[in-house]
Amino acid sequence: EAGVVQSPRYKIIEKKQPVAFWCNPISGHNTLYWYLQNLGQGPELLIRYENEEAVDDSQLPKDRFSAERLKGVDSTLKIQPAELGDSAVYLCASSLDSASGTYNEQFFGPGTRLTVL
Amino acid sequence: AQTVTQSQPEMSVQEAETVTLSCTYDTSESNYYLFWYKQPPSRQMILVIRQEAYKQQNATENRFSVNFQKAAKSFSLKISDSQLGDTAMYFCAFMKHEDYGQNFVFGPGTRLSVLP
Repeated sequence: EAGVVQSPRYKIIEKKQPVAFWCNPISGHNTLYWYLQNLGQGPELLIRYENEEAVDDSQLPKDRFSAERLKGVDSTLKIQPAELGDSAVYLCASSLDSASGTYNEQFFGPGTRLTVL
Repeated sequence: AQTVTQSQPEMSVQEAETVTLSCTYDTSESNYYLFWYKQPPSRQMILVIRQEAYKQQNATENRFSVNFQKAAKSFSLKISDSQLGDTAMYFCAFMKHEDYGQNFVFGPGTRLSVLP
């Protein structure tokens, strides 16, 4: 079974440019997560989707970050415009229904390392 | 709010030896999960072990075991018979047991190097 797929693995851009990251979750997983991981720190949740609905985006900086999961499968995270401080690893994870009241393991993708120059 | 602390930024261990990574957390919740995740240079977070707070028995997965002290809010990871492939960042994480959402609070990580 394929794991969580993310692309690109690496991205280098100049500040003020837009950038987008793509994530394809494990088949059948209706919950999708985007995390930000700064250097030397653990991941922090940016947004969580249940199917196509963003149910927790409280940590997403909405002035420059946006995300979508139009058909409830794959997802795109966008930054426009990028700032120097956005340099980090962006991780995607998926799980079975997180709203079921039972624990379902989150499976992580390999992440996208963004460098903003 | 929950916090997770890992006081050892870096550790090293000789191959085949045993090493223990420390983690403490702060919460007012009574029902929660604790995790150890491994992140090798490939960056993919891999679940090592999970502990449910209501279970008194410490979780074990092959060479990996935990020492869960609920009153002390301590959750250490012991790796026995260390292997070169265990070299990675290790993150301790907390998750509330709630009906909706499964949001982690991660610690800052411990970089473990297994030396040949």
